[in-house]
Amino acid sequence: DAKTTQPNSMESNEEEPVHLPCNHSTISGTDYIHWYRQLPSQGPEYVIHGLTSNVNNRMASLAIAEDRKSSTLILHRATLRDAAVYYCILSLNNDMRFGAGTRLTVKP
Amino acid sequence: KAGVTQTPRYLIKTRGQQVTLSCSPISGHRSVSWYQQTPGQGLQFLFEYFSETQRNKGNFPGRFSGRQFSNSRSEMNVSTLELGDSALYLCASSLQGAGSGANVLTFGAGSRLTVL
Repeated sequence: DAKTTQPNSMESNEEEPVHLPCNHSTISGTDYIHWYRQLPSQGPEYVIHGLTSNVNNRMASLAIAEDRKSSTLILHRATLRDAAVYYCILSLNNDMRFGAGTRLTVKP
Repeated sequence: KAGVTQTPRYLIKTRGQQVTLSCSPISGHRSVSWYQQTPGQGLQFLFEYFSETQRNKGNFPGRFSGRQFSNSRSEMNVSTLELGDSALYLCASSLQGAGSGANVLTFGAGSRLTVL
């Protein structure tokens, strides 16, 4: 199975950018890179996904390395509501296996 | 548009009993996946159904089973409950079928099961 590696935790200050890294060295050519986040007492929610090119949406940006062995989720201005566990997942054929994720703490 | 609805939200059972959890997907979504979340193991994939057929299965014992109905609603059942089955059970629905890694999951709020 393709696996991802993320830091256990990260801290950020409010209104500053946050870069959440993810390594996926065994990624195959057809694996999509997905990011989800889970706020306290809620189910995970979709953040962003991409295949090869960098992606932007209203929530975040996804920067994918040229060799696709790593990616970075970018929150441009962290708010207190962004405090959550962020999961980086490789998705193929609707099979999505979550790792431990990165717990992001946002300090006021 | 209504989201993914899971019922019941909370329930308490005793060891040896069985439990059935329900998941109503977003209208039009044909795929439903189930996950177990515990503090020690994190989010673990249980199984995925698409058009009433189980397509993928995680590494769980046969006590965990599921099914999907023609209206895409899904149920999962756990028989002979053990203390270690205490967890948050999450279901997620998605629109696209197999072969699309771009498939996006929408999760419900979960059913929190406590086994005493």
